[in-house]
Amino acid sequence: DQQVKQNSPSLSVQEGRISILNCDYTNSMFDYFLWYKKYPAEGPTFLISISSIKDKNEDGRFTVFLNKSAKHLSLHIVPSQPGDSAVYFCAASMDSGYSTLTFGKGTMLLVSP
Amino acid sequence: GAVVSQHPSWVICKSGTSVKIECRSLDFQATTMFWYRQFPKQSLMLMATSNEGSKATYEQGVEKDKFLINHASLTLSTLTVTSAHPEDSSFYICSARLDGRVLYNEQFFGPGTRLTVL
Repeated sequence: DQQVKQNSPSLSVQEGRISILNCDYTNSMFDYFLWYKKYPAEGPTFLISISSIKDKNEDGRFTVFLNKSAKHLSLHIVPSQPGDSAVYFCAASMDSGYSTLTFGKGTMLLVSP
Repeated sequence: GAVVSQHPSWVICKSGTSVKIECRSLDFQATTMFWYRQFPKQSLMLMATSNEGSKATYEQGVEKDKFLINHASLTLSTLTVTSAHPEDSSFYICSARLDGRVLYNEQFFGPGTRLTVL
């Protein structure tokens, strides 16, 4: 049973527009969330994270929003660039310390010029 | 900083042989490392948590005798797939948690190893 769900396997966006990647979770014990970016044949790289005590975290072009009541988070990329084309994984853990990460299946983002 | 390497990057082996994959944290110490497995279009599935100087903790459904993990130093963990079979063919990725950064739970991932068992 998938505890972290990314229901959109792919997303296509034009350069300069906003990309919105969604993630839902079912385990109410999750309280720390991370987004990773992955290129083919490479390992994931950390992008941005958010703790459950916040509802927004921003880092440059990347913003993550958390809606705890809906058990939903989203990653916004503005403006989108062709170099952002990759697979984005949402991950969750039960604490910000030693807990293991549970990953979603990923969403492939394609940003066209 | 925080670079993790894996070796080999890809390996092809015959059914029944054993394959060792190395995971190294190049510029930091990592008491804890993780081994994941990823099938095409699937999420990263945690196989085991590797702790330096102690036995690895395996996730449910992962055979500890088939996937041997050794974390002998603060910068090296190895995964040995014993008696590999075609169904073990997958993309194996390790990650390392930066010692001292436990408040952030950031894991730094290696580039992965593509294993193909013929």
